[in-house]
Amino acid sequence: DVKVTQSSRYLVKRTGEKVFLECVQDMDHENMFWYRQDPGLGLRLIYFSYDVKMKEKGDIPEGYSVSREKKERFSLILESASTNQTSMYLCASSLQGKGYNEQFFGPGTRLTVL
Amino acid sequence: KNQVEQSPQSLIILEGKNCTLQCNYTVSPFSNLRWYKQDTGRGPVSLTIMTFSENTKSNGRYTATLDADTKQSSLHITASQLSDSASYICVVKSSGAGSYQLTFGKGTKLSVIP
Repeated sequence: DVKVTQSSRYLVKRTGEKVFLECVQDMDHENMFWYRQDPGLGLRLIYFSYDVKMKEKGDIPEGYSVSREKKERFSLILESASTNQTSMYLCASSLQGKGYNEQFFGPGTRLTVL
Repeated sequence: KNQVEQSPQSLIILEGKNCTLQCNYTVSPFSNLRWYKQDTGRGPVSLTIMTFSENTKSNGRYTATLDADTKQSSLHITASQLSDSASYICVVKSSGAGSYQLTFGKGTKLSVIP
C-alpha cells in the first residue's frame, strides 16, 4: 500500500512565522505535489517536483517555496505566514511517465495562521 | 482553459437511496478521468479511473460512466450508506506535455442521513 504521510494534522502559527510542512512517501515515486484546498475553490496546485532538487511552480506559488533534498521527502515552506494562508494543505505523490499516474494523497495538514 | 464543473454542489439523501453525481469537462487533449472520495478531514482516495475508450466502470456500489463525445461523466452510488457521506471530486488528466496536468472539479458534498 502506498503511504503518504504529513508531519502534522493540525498546526497553528502566528502571522510572520516561518512554517515548514513535511511530506514523506514510501513508494519510490518520482513526482510529488503540494496543494491547498479551500471551501468553494477545490484543490489548487502550489508546487510540484518530478525529481530530487527539481521543482516547478503550480498555479498559486506566491508566498510559498519548496525543498526536495531526498526522493521520498517534499517540504513546503511558508517564509512569512499570513492569515490568507490559513487552509488545508495536501501532499500527493505519483509515478513518473505516461500512464494513469494516479496521485496518492496524504491525510492533510490544517494550518491556521492567527 | 481546461475546466471541470461538478453538480450538484451538495446533496442530501436518505440511507439506502441511490444518487448520481455529474461532471462536465473541457480538458483537451483528454487522457483519463478519475473520481476521488474525500472524507472530512482526510486526503482524497481514488474510486475509479476511466480512459477514452471506457464507457462504464464499477467499484462495488460505485459506478462511473464516461461519454467522451459530450465530455460528461457521472458517478452513481447504489444503496447509499452513512459511510458514503463525503466529498466526491472529479479529476481530469490531460495528455499534454508533463505528467502533472490535472484539472480538479470543486467537488460534490454528499450527506447520507438515516
